[in-house]
Amino acid sequence: GENVEQHPSTLSVQEGDSAVIKCTYSDSASNYFPWYKQELGKRPQLIIDIRSNVGEKKDQRIAVTLNKTAKHFSLHITETQPEDSAVYFCAANPTGGGNKLTFGTGTQLKVEL
Amino acid sequence: DAGVTQSPTHLIKTRGQQVTLRCSPISGHKSVSWYQQVLGQGPQFIFQYYEKEERGRGNFPDRFSARQFPNYSSELNVNALLLGDSALYLCASSLSPGTSGRGSTDTQYFGPGTRLTVL
Repeated sequence: GENVEQHPSTLSVQEGDSAVIKCTYSDSASNYFPWYKQELGKRPQLIIDIRSNVGEKKDQRIAVTLNKTAKHFSLHITETQPEDSAVYFCAANPTGGGNKLTFGTGTQLKVEL
Repeated sequence: DAGVTQSPTHLIKTRGQQVTLRCSPISGHKSVSWYQQVLGQGPQFIFQYYEKEERGRGNFPDRFSARQFPNYSSELNVNALLLGDSALYLCASSLSPGTSGRGSTDTQYFGPGTRLTVL
């Protein structure tokens, strides 16, 4: 089955700096890669997603890049703010999975003042 | 515009008991998926339902079961609770069921979850 690895597990940046979180996946047939942000005690919130027919997608300060050949995708957050502090999860859809998502283990992002 | 709702928010049970968790999807969404999130880990897929039919099942024992109702709401049942079942149970709502094989996966929106503690 699909395996999604996520790095780093914790990331600390200064306010205004950029943050990058990387994920790799194992199933070459995966074609949908969402990113969720989860604040403590709250629901995972979709922040951006990318489908395999594009290599990059941007939404204001957030961007995701996808390299299908290498089977990895990354989340880029620019001009980080304290409210960006949360756990970020990447996910991928395994072959034959319908809406099934396989999630990474999460990255705790801390934006320091 | 209401999002995904789940009830109850918290639940405490003892080993061996049974529990039922409920989910109402976003209005107009017909697909519901259930995930288990153990503390410090990413969500793990349990079930997907669409139009009252099971469309996918994760690697969970038969103690876990679910169903979907004509109004697209869903229930997750867990029998013979174990300590290891303690987790946040998340429901995700999507418009369509997605397709298998090299098909497409629909965007999923999560509810607030039910925190289950098994003592």
